[in-house]
Amino acid sequence: GAGVSQSPRYKVAKRGQDVALRCDPISGHVSLFWYQQALGQGPEFLTYFQNEAQLDKSGLPSDRFFAERPEGSVSTLKIQRTQQEDSAVYLCASSLVEGDGNQPQHFGDGTRLSIL
Amino acid sequence: GNSVTQMEGPVTLSEEAFLTINCTYTATGYPSLFWYVQYPGEGLQLLLKATKADDKGSNKGFEATYRKETTSFHLEKGSVQVSDSAVYFCALSASNTGRRALTFGSGTRLQVQP
Repeated sequence: GAGVSQSPRYKVAKRGQDVALRCDPISGHVSLFWYQQALGQGPEFLTYFQNEAQLDKSGLPSDRFFAERPEGSVSTLKIQRTQQEDSAVYLCASSLVEGDGNQPQHFGDGTRLSIL
Repeated sequence: GNSVTQMEGPVTLSEEAFLTINCTYTATGYPSLFWYVQYPGEGLQLLLKATKADDKGSNKGFEATYRKETTSFHLEKGSVQVSDSAVYFCALSASNTGRRALTFGSGTRLQVQP
């Protein structure tokens, strides 16, 4: 497709369950970002990949959060033993190259995660 | 650390009114500045950007000027339309420091009434 694709669009899970969120970036985009957006707030950075290398994971809130991008394209964000505070919209973004850092990030529509 | 502060919303305007949404930032070095827009039910879309001091970004009638002396990047539009109703996010990228991620403000909801 032409844009960043995320699935599922909505996910409901019970507290304590594990969840996996998928991101398909724009083809050929080197950089991939995950953000967490709480209700009524701006997105907050979670982690960043350049190709398959995870170069920055400073925003992951706990060791229950794990992200991977094994072949440098599709990425998965996994949350283990979910808690109610994990309820949020999870956004994925990609950008074309690693250069001066001014390349715009293109966002998917997000996955809305609700933990009951 | 880096931060972005936006005026709180909602901002409610009549069609054809003038729009200003204030944005100020704190960052080390020389960040790039962005405005993103989120229409109802849709993802974030880049609206405009500016990469150095005194640059003006513009798109779809919206403008913002990178003001280093006041650390501001206010969004303006001369005549808003109902279709401009959305949430607007100011963001910065301090990529010169090696950090590629965007730092966002909390967003400002704009409601334009016919």
